[in-house]
Amino acid sequence: GDSVTQMEGPVTLSEEAFLTINCTYTATGYPSLFWYVQYPGEGLQLLLKATKADDKGSNKGFEATYRKETTSFHLEKGSVQVSDSAVYFCALGRADGLTFGKGTHLIIQP
Amino acid sequence: GAVVSQHPSWVICKSGTSVKIECRSLDFQATTMFWYRQFPKKSLMLMATSNEGSKATYEQGVEKDKFLINHASLTLSTLTVTSAHPEDSSFYICSASRGDEKLFFGSGTQLSVL
Repeated sequence: GDSVTQMEGPVTLSEEAFLTINCTYTATGYPSLFWYVQYPGEGLQLLLKATKADDKGSNKGFEATYRKETTSFHLEKGSVQVSDSAVYFCALGRADGLTFGKGTHLIIQP
Repeated sequence: GAVVSQHPSWVICKSGTSVKIECRSLDFQATTMFWYRQFPKKSLMLMATSNEGSKATYEQGVEKDKFLINHASLTLSTLTVTSAHPEDSSFYICSASRGDEKLFFGSGTQLSVL
């Protein structure tokens, strides 16, 4: 079956540091890939997505590229801010639902 | 933007009682709604998929008689945890699809069974 693996953290960085959160997946066919973010006290929000190989999703300075050859969808940001502190979920999607990774807790210190 | 309201946000109940969680799409019609469960420090687990007017499709290992799902309209789905026990304590999240690729999530319900 489908599965998603991501680093759990917590990941602690200083403000303006470069961020990478790794995500790899196991799946047959060509699923869509997503990054969701959960800010403290709020529900999940879609951060970005990619629907086919080599697609790059981007939003709010975050980027992730759908790499079929390495079955990866790593999340990157060039300069993080304190407001980026949250839990980030990598997910694999098909028409019948989503498979989530365990979530990565990101802490950004001033 | 599309909003999904989930209620209640937290609930504490005694063992053996039933708890109902509501998930409403406020400004769009949800063709499909999904229910997830999140264990502490673990991933979200899809419990079931429901389409308006039809029976929910449950994932393997999820007890359909314990987790009753009703999708009575295009804007409302409910999850009832029947005869709740402490092991049912968890964070439950719903999401709704409006027919395109986007999913919109509720804010979640923290259930604590004493």
